[in-house]
Amino acid sequence: GQNIDQPTEMTATEGAIVQINCTYQTSGFNGLFWYQQHAGEAPTFLSYNVLDGLEEKGRFSSFLSRSKGYSYLLLKELQMKDSASYLCAVTFTGGGNKLTFGTGTQLKVEL
Amino acid sequence: EAEVAQSPRYKITEKSQAVAFWCDPISGHATLYWYRQILGQGPELLVQFQDESVVDDSQLPKDRFSAERLKGVDSTLKIQPAELGDSAMYLCASSLAVAGEQFFGPGTRLTVL
Repeated sequence: GQNIDQPTEMTATEGAIVQINCTYQTSGFNGLFWYQQHAGEAPTFLSYNVLDGLEEKGRFSSFLSRSKGYSYLLLKELQMKDSASYLCAVTFTGGGNKLTFGTGTQLKVEL
Repeated sequence: EAEVAQSPRYKITEKSQAVAFWCDPISGHATLYWYRQILGQGPELLVQFQDESVVDDSQLPKDRFSAERLKGVDSTLKIQPAELGDSAMYLCASSLAVAGEQFFGPGTRLTVL
């Protein structure tokens, strides 16, 4: 199979930093996406990693290690509005850009 | 800003009835995807179109689901007959090319009673 694994839930404090991990099967790996999804809404694109290393975009950063089948999403200076589900999704070669999603990590930001 | 449009936003139906969902992708996007998201899970691809052609429908329950994109622009997903287990969010996404960022529409939330 092409299991995408990420924690189900995380809780963090406003203003803090949180790291959400994602592991995936390395065979046939093409690229990895992170999406944010607020309750009842569509996923919105956060980041895309295809090469090893860190991609930074404002308060959000995403890291990829292709050899380890591992990625993380780093959220800095957490705000209450960051409370949402964070979805890790992978494309595999031969998959025609089909996204294979993890179950999502529900992040709760508290005061 | 261009967006993917979907309708209806919400649909309640009884089991054994037929339902249809509509999607209008971002103008110029050749690739269109229909995903199903069950509560608490990630989206799962049902069908992918490249222009008017189906390129992947391996996860589409073809005994009850059908999808078309006749003119290679907007698309319709149909379920007939609906079953209780079909209750989910149905998301449409589009991308400029096969290997491109996917933009999601607001989804249609289906409840089957």
